[in-house]
Amino acid sequence: AQSVAQPEDQVNVAEGNPLTVKCTYSVSGNPYLFWYVQYPNRGLQFLLKYITGDNLVKGSYGFEAEFNKSQTSFHLKKPSALVSDSALYFCAVLNNDMRFGAGTRLTVKP
Amino acid sequence: NAGVTQTPKFQVLKTGQSMTLQCAQDMNHEYMSWYRQDPGMGLRLIHYSVGAGITDQGEVPNGYNVSRSTTEDFPLRLLSAAPSQTSVYFCASSYSGAATGNTIYFGEGSWLTVV
Repeated sequence: AQSVAQPEDQVNVAEGNPLTVKCTYSVSGNPYLFWYVQYPNRGLQFLLKYITGDNLVKGSYGFEAEFNKSQTSFHLKKPSALVSDSALYFCAVLNNDMRFGAGTRLTVKP
Repeated sequence: NAGVTQTPKFQVLKTGQSMTLQCAQDMNHEYMSWYRQDPGMGLRLIHYSVGAGITDQGEVPNGYNVSRSTTEDFPLRLLSAAPSQTSVYFCASSYSGAATGNTIYFGEGSWLTVV
């Protein structure tokens, strides 16, 4: 069965600094990996996904993620954080169904 | 652009009551699913469906029933509500089978409290 882990409950960064939200996965076969963002009292919004191809995937709002097969990781990154990026971020792995990590709360301080 | 619509948004139930959370999508998606979100546990899959007439269990199916009589609708039924079912519930859909890697779209959530 597939699973995904987000080792950090909380990530704090200053506005303008780069941010990284970590994700590792476990799946048999080729992984389909996703990042979603959730704002307060809202549903999840799709950010980006890795299916195949380039290991660096670019997504919405300036986010990108790097797929690393040897480390079984799919970390979310952004070169320059904005206060408006503050939200809950979920990594997910897809096989027959979608399994989510526990989420990482990102806080960007002015 | 309705997307995935869930109702009700908020509900309070007494222990032992039954209720149905409604979910409808207007994107002709084959794949639909229900998740519950609890603090520190992410989203856990309750049930899913790969098409009309087909449903299957996810990680945490106990206490919930689903049916898929049409492509558009995927209701989630709580048979006898328990306080442990207090959670936020999300319905989601995807254009085709999840294994193809198509993006899953989420509804806005249903906040359920069981007292």
